[in-house]
Amino acid sequence: AQSVTQLGSHVSVSEGALVLLRCNYSSSVPPYLFWYVQYPNQGLQLLLKYTTGATLVKGINGFEAEFKKSETSFHLTKPSAHMSDAAEYFCAVTPRGYNKLIFGAGTRLAVHP
Amino acid sequence: GAGVSQSPSNKVTEKGKDVELRCDPISGHTALYWYRQSLGQGLEFLIYFQGNSAPDKSGLPSDRFSAERTGGSVSTLTIQRTQQEDSAVYLCASSGTNTEAFFGQGTRLTVV
Repeated sequence: AQSVTQLGSHVSVSEGALVLLRCNYSSSVPPYLFWYVQYPNQGLQLLLKYTTGATLVKGINGFEAEFKKSETSFHLTKPSAHMSDAAEYFCAVTPRGYNKLIFGAGTRLAVHP
Repeated sequence: GAGVSQSPSNKVTEKGKDVELRCDPISGHTALYWYRQSLGQGLEFLIYFQGNSAPDKSGLPSDRFSAERTGGSVSTLTIQRTQQEDSAVYLCASSGTNTEAFFGQGTRLTVV
């Protein structure tokens, strides 16, 4: 069965530092890939998605992610963290041909001054 | 509507009572999902509806949980004989043909 692994349940960075949140999926056929963000006491918001085409995807709030088929990865990055980026980040996949959204366990990002 | 709407936003119920949670998806979206998020935890898949196909119920934790989707639109998640471990935020999402899912704000269920 398709699964999603997010390495690191908690990540802490300094304001202005690089943000790197890791996501790996398990399937031989690349699925559709998503990153969602959940701010405290709010619902989930789509950051970015990869379905086809260019493997480097840009999203909102300066985030981007690169699909690497050879590594079955879809890591999320942001060059310079801001205090407002503190949130929970979820990687998710949808197997092609089956519209079921499967989530990773999430990574809580803390940004300190 | 403009987005996915869930009601109620908060529900406190006594152990052993039944509860119904409602989800109004975005108009025209064929797929509808229910997830559960316990305090500090990730998203646990519960059930998935896609058009007129039989729902994927593989995530329902017990036979106390059921869900239906009437007319391919509104969905109701029912929990019978609620237990304290059912306390969580229940999230609904819907998606159309481009596979992106939009989430509601959730229903926070507290079983006392």
